[in-house]
Amino acid sequence: DVKVTQSSRYLVKRTGEKVFLECVQDMDHENMFWYRQDPGLGLRLIYFSYDVKMKEKGDIPEGYSVSREKKERFSLILESASTNQTSMYLCASSISRTRGNQPQHFGDGTRLSIL
Amino acid sequence: GNSVTQMEGPVTLSEEAFLTINCTYTATGYPSLFWYVQYPGEGLQLLLKATKADDKGSNKGFEATYRKETTSFHLEKGSVQVSDSAVYFCALAGSSYKLIFGSGTRLLVRP
Repeated sequence: DVKVTQSSRYLVKRTGEKVFLECVQDMDHENMFWYRQDPGLGLRLIYFSYDVKMKEKGDIPEGYSVSREKKERFSLILESASTNQTSMYLCASSISRTRGNQPQHFGDGTRLSIL
Repeated sequence: GNSVTQMEGPVTLSEEAFLTINCTYTATGYPSLFWYVQYPGEGLQLLLKATKADDKGSNKGFEATYRKETTSFHLEKGSVQVSDSAVYFCALAGSSYKLIFGSGTRLLVRP
């Protein structure tokens, strides 16, 4: 089974801090994703990466950046955290950019609170 | 563009009742369809999938059939348990990397 591991289940940070959320997958997947999930808004894609050092903006990239230095690891960075970034963050991976129709496999999520 | 529409919840059932959660989609081409489940405080887990018309995906007593003529992928279970209480998401994958999710349907099963 695919294993997607997010480094923290719960995280509390302060406004203005730089926050790193880490995600690792163990199945040599090319694609990795970061979503946020908020009540009433569903899942929204923040960023997507299809290869090492490659990234594409999703639907709501403002206030976020990402890093993918190794194939198995995809980091989400909040450059200067704000209270409206309090949310559940979900990381996912899938096999390949060139193969459509594939499911994504999710981690357990990080519930981030910005005070 | 592609889209997924799910029935709004919450759906409240008694244990051992029959479950249906409706999902319809709009898509070009031949997408794959998925159901994900999210238990409280956790991430999404892939529950079942179907990759072409008339395929039936099944897992843990849940089933869904890919109906191209009605553009539907309804989730069913013959006898729900309290442990099935969760949020269920219908999703579609087309030719690109993106998954298109429905808004989710909360299921609450009472003993």
